[in-house]
Amino acid sequence: DQQVKQNSPSLSVQEGRISILNCDYTNSMFDYFLWYKKYPAEGPTFLISISSIKDKNEDGRFTVFLNKSAKHLSLHIVPSQPGDSAVYFCAAHRNFGNEKLTFGTGTRLTIIP
Amino acid sequence: ETGVTQSPTHLIKTRGQQVTLRCSSQSGHNTVSWYQQALGQGPQFIFQYYREEENGRGNFPPRFSGLQFPNYSSELNVNALELDDSALYLCASSFGLAGPNHEQFFGPGTRLTVL
Repeated sequence: DQQVKQNSPSLSVQEGRISILNCDYTNSMFDYFLWYKKYPAEGPTFLISISSIKDKNEDGRFTVFLNKSAKHLSLHIVPSQPGDSAVYFCAAHRNFGNEKLTFGTGTRLTIIP
Repeated sequence: ETGVTQSPTHLIKTRGQQVTLRCSSQSGHNTVSWYQQALGQGPQFIFQYYREEENGRGNFPPRFSGLQFPNYSSELNVNALELDDSALYLCASSFGLAGPNHEQFFGPGTRLTVL
């Protein structure tokens, strides 16, 4: 039962343009959503998060949008830079007191110079 | 400040053997979570330890077990290895259990291959 889904295994974007990564979830009990970035041979690195009571959170070049009615969130990166090339994981969390994260399968983003 | 470290980096075992993976949490962190990442998949939660006690477990059989030590480092033990156990095993540390900061700091992982 895949509760968090990233339907695009890969995405290529021109440097300087906007990258949009999408994520869908099925469990309405999730209360927090996170994006992680992973380079080869490294562990995932936290990027940005959003609480289920908000619909947008922005941090520099990164913005996450949450549409609760559609159970959909997206990560926007603008402008995209070569260093953004990595695998991006969407993750969701429910229940305070247990830090369990449910991850999607990831999207490999390639920024073309 | 030392980040999360894991050992060994790579490991090859045969089916039926037992394996122990190790994780040193980031300085000041008292919670450790273990994840299994199979090829082409996202990390799957195995279990979490908070102050040396198990605090939550994912859908993994009992042959996956763990420990957390007084210095908050942790071990993941897997008995009776199966071919499907081949994966990247990630350890993540954080401080505390609740609150709006859900950031977990991940180690680089241990790549386990079962032949």
